[in-house]
Amino acid sequence: GQQVMQIPQYQHVQEGEDFTTYCNSSTTLSNIQWYKQRPGGHPVFLIQLVKSGEVKKQKRLTFQFGEAKKNSSLHITATQTTDVGTYFCASSLGNEKLTFGTGTRLTIIP
Amino acid sequence: DGGITQSPKYLFRKEGQNVTLSCEQNLNHDAMYWYRQDPGQGLRLIYYSQIVNDFQKGDIAEGYSVSREKKESFPLTVTSAQKNPTAFYLCASSIQGYAEAFFGQGTRLTVV
Repeated sequence: GQQVMQIPQYQHVQEGEDFTTYCNSSTTLSNIQWYKQRPGGHPVFLIQLVKSGEVKKQKRLTFQFGEAKKNSSLHITATQTTDVGTYFCASSLGNEKLTFGTGTRLTIIP
Repeated sequence: DGGITQSPKYLFRKEGQNVTLSCEQNLNHDAMYWYRQDPGQGLRLIYYSQIVNDFQKGDIAEGYSVSREKKESFPLTVTSAQKNPTAFYLCASSIQGYAEAFFGQGTRLTVV
């Protein structure tokens, strides 16, 4: 079935370094959502992108939706220990079936 | 407070027993979802419902059943047919399928 692939699976960065996770689909996506799950917690919605080429920023976080609406990225500038967690992309894939990517687990080295 | 509530937080069952996980929301959301998360893994969709009295299978529905008799409630039954039921189960809801999803705290099910 349709899938949303996410890379990398794990990322270890020194505090203060930047971090990027990528989300890719073989088909055009109607939208892309990003969630953060803290260790031991539940996913929390961060943002939704719907337009081709859309870019949105939330403080140190920058979200992009590709021109072809088949890929997306989340970039964190100057990571902090509070950024630790797993970041998921998700999409309704055009049929209202909200499907999640495999996630990228971010760990920060103080 | 508005939100989505899952209970219990931890659940232990013996192998071969059916068990039902509760999910209730007072957000007036039409769409509800059940996901399974295994350690270090992503979220896999078990079942979803867009409207009362209707639901669809997700990617891993075998061994699970659901009902949607009320808008507020979407219970999940893990049956004895589920070969490896020990996992973290997450329920979510959204206004409609294209909107942001709100998650419950999750239920950690351990089958021994």
